[in-house]
Amino acid sequence: QKEVEQNSGPLSVPEGAIASLNCTYSDRGSQSFFWYRQYSGKSPELIMFIYSNGDKEDGRFTAQLNKASQYVSLLIRDSQPSDSATYLCAVNYVDKLSFGAGTTVTVRA
Amino acid sequence: GAVVSQHPSRVICKSGTSVKIECRSLDFQATTMFWYRQFPKQSLMLMATSNEGSKATYEQGVEKDKFLINHASLTLSTLTVTSAHPEDSSFYICSASPGQRGEQYFGPGTRLTVT
Repeated sequence: QKEVEQNSGPLSVPEGAIASLNCTYSDRGSQSFFWYRQYSGKSPELIMFIYSNGDKEDGRFTAQLNKASQYVSLLIRDSQPSDSATYLCAVNYVDKLSFGAGTTVTVRA
Repeated sequence: GAVVSQHPSRVICKSGTSVKIECRSLDFQATTMFWYRQFPKQSLMLMATSNEGSKATYEQGVEKDKFLINHASLTLSTLTVTSAHPEDSSFYICSASPGQRGEQYFGPGTRLTVT
């Protein structure tokens, strides 16, 4: 299993601020990168995927990928209390996903 | 799109009995389905990978005779927990992949309690 590292948090941000989540991975050959959101007691939900270096924006979410640095990040703009959840970084390797331990985000109203 | 259902959502069974959990991809064909287990406040743990018509591939430490997986079609996989014991109580989650870039879509999960 390849390594995927995330800051475990918790990350506390005020409502309306930007939440920044980071993830590093060990396998240089990985090509697909995903961010999942998991609410307490629920299953993970795919919120972003990125395959190419650079930024990818979808609504309030921006994923950033730097393959040379083996680094992927997720920005959540205008954070809302409903964004409070655990965010899992996942990296595709040999048709399986390696997950990070997750970063717990709390948005303070 | 990309909806995965799982049934039942919650089950309570007695020690020694077997429980079957169904996972269906509703709006796409899944070349591969996965079964995970998650204990409270812990990470997802991959149990096995299954491809339609093939035997499942189990992760190290997962007993294949205890956790029987059948992937009968491109939209249906089942997990049977045989001779369940209290330590098997957990949150079981399936996922399905259309096989394009490795993305997985998760079912809502099944919470199993063995008494």
